[in-house]
Amino acid sequence: GAVVSQHPSRVICKSGTSVKIECRSLDFQATTMFWYRQFPKKSLMLMATSNEGSKATYEQGVEKDKFLINHASLTLSTLTVTSAHPEDSSFYICSARDGGMNTGELFFGEGSRLTVL
Amino acid sequence: AQKITQTQPGMFVQEKEAVTLDCTYDTSDPSYGLFWYKQPSSGEMIFLIYQGSYDQQNATEGRYSLNFQKARKSANLVISASQLGDSAMYFCAAGGSSNTGKLIFGQGTTLQVKP
Repeated sequence: GAVVSQHPSRVICKSGTSVKIECRSLDFQATTMFWYRQFPKKSLMLMATSNEGSKATYEQGVEKDKFLINHASLTLSTLTVTSAHPEDSSFYICSARDGGMNTGELFFGEGSRLTVL
Repeated sequence: AQKITQTQPGMFVQEKEAVTLDCTYDTSDPSYGLFWYKQPSSGEMIFLIYQGSYDQQNATEGRYSLNFQKARKSANLVISASQLGDSAMYFCAAGGSSNTGKLIFGQGTTLQVKP
């Protein structure tokens, strides 16, 4: 089946630094990818929709300048947490769609756990 | 706007028994999809089952079945013959036809299977 891969799976950084997380579709092309954030034992909250070749669409309350999204190719979307602070520590997970919605073919990456010291 | 409600924060089930995880949804989209995902402690989201709003029959995938009651706006997940490996957090999610892949998730239910 289709595979979505995230890298890194875990990252620890100092406050004030920027961290980049990659989301790749390994065996299919994804014009659209989605970035979610999840706090421990909580639900996944959609942050933004990443669109290949155009600007990302952010959900209400998500800071565009804080969470930079770049979808430069059909297989790669990146999320950069800029000037990270401890409150940005979270589990970030991406998803990508292979095929039509009516097939239910939506796949998630393994997630990236960010810890900001 | 869509909203997903999972009212069971935690559930226990005896190994080999069946368990139902509740999910209700609220959406104004005429066409939508309902999903269930399993999230073990490792964090990965594992797709379990999908139900389209216009599907006439309830979806089934192996030991998983979705009890879809459109009039009641419920999409409960039934896991038959529970296994120890089923212990995980389970999320119900919904997506509209216009947002192919954009999902709204419920709060999740933690399932523990007892030996």
